[in-house]
Amino acid sequence: DTGVSQNPRHKITKRGQNVTFRCDPISEHNRLYWYRQTLGQGPEFLTYFQNEAQLEKSRLLSDRFSAERPKGSFSTLEIQRTEQGDSAMYLCASSFGQGAQHFGDGTRLSIL
Amino acid sequence: GQQLNQSPQSMFIQEGEDVSMNCTSSSIFNTWLWYKQDPGEGPVLLIALYKAGELTSNGRLTAQFGITRKDSFLNISASIPSDVGIYFCAGQKGSGNTGKLIFGQGTTLQVKP
Repeated sequence: DTGVSQNPRHKITKRGQNVTFRCDPISEHNRLYWYRQTLGQGPEFLTYFQNEAQLEKSRLLSDRFSAERPKGSFSTLEIQRTEQGDSAMYLCASSFGQGAQHFGDGTRLSIL
Repeated sequence: GQQLNQSPQSMFIQEGEDVSMNCTSSSIFNTWLWYKQDPGEGPVLLIALYKAGELTSNGRLTAQFGITRKDSFLNISASIPSDVGIYFCAGQKGSGNTGKLIFGQGTTLQVKP
């Protein structure tokens, strides 16, 4: 499968814990995006990378959130001190330049 | 956050019927995309539109990029049960380095066999 891969698919954690998600983009894609989707809504943009550079961050990305793409390939999204409101589907997408974005199947985060 | 206005919110149709849904915005976009999402999965790209006035087909699906750059529509002809799902429009401004997509709220399609 050469699509966007996200791990884990599901994560259940207690409030206050830290969590980290991983995204492996389509191999030839130089741009990688993170979105958050809550029930009944469309995805909302969080941040994106071109190669290893983080070029844009949404105001939704509070200081408890950090994303990295150290070698310009896979990316990680970490949430520190999780809160109930962080429960959502976290989606990763990739593209080549400004071409169409292709999404992974997401990581569903549930905060107890 | 900013979202596109997508309508209708939901549709319940008979198998074989044609379907039309649209997306509008107060802002201009340089790219419009249509995605389909099934429960527990990520959005799957259906059609991408890059030029105002462009009309593009993908099998039974046809989408158009509005001439004003502020709207787009998606048509599905001769619907089948596997068309069930949530359809999202997304716009991309494409100016400078911004890469983010802005999504509509989705149209939930149900097809009765």
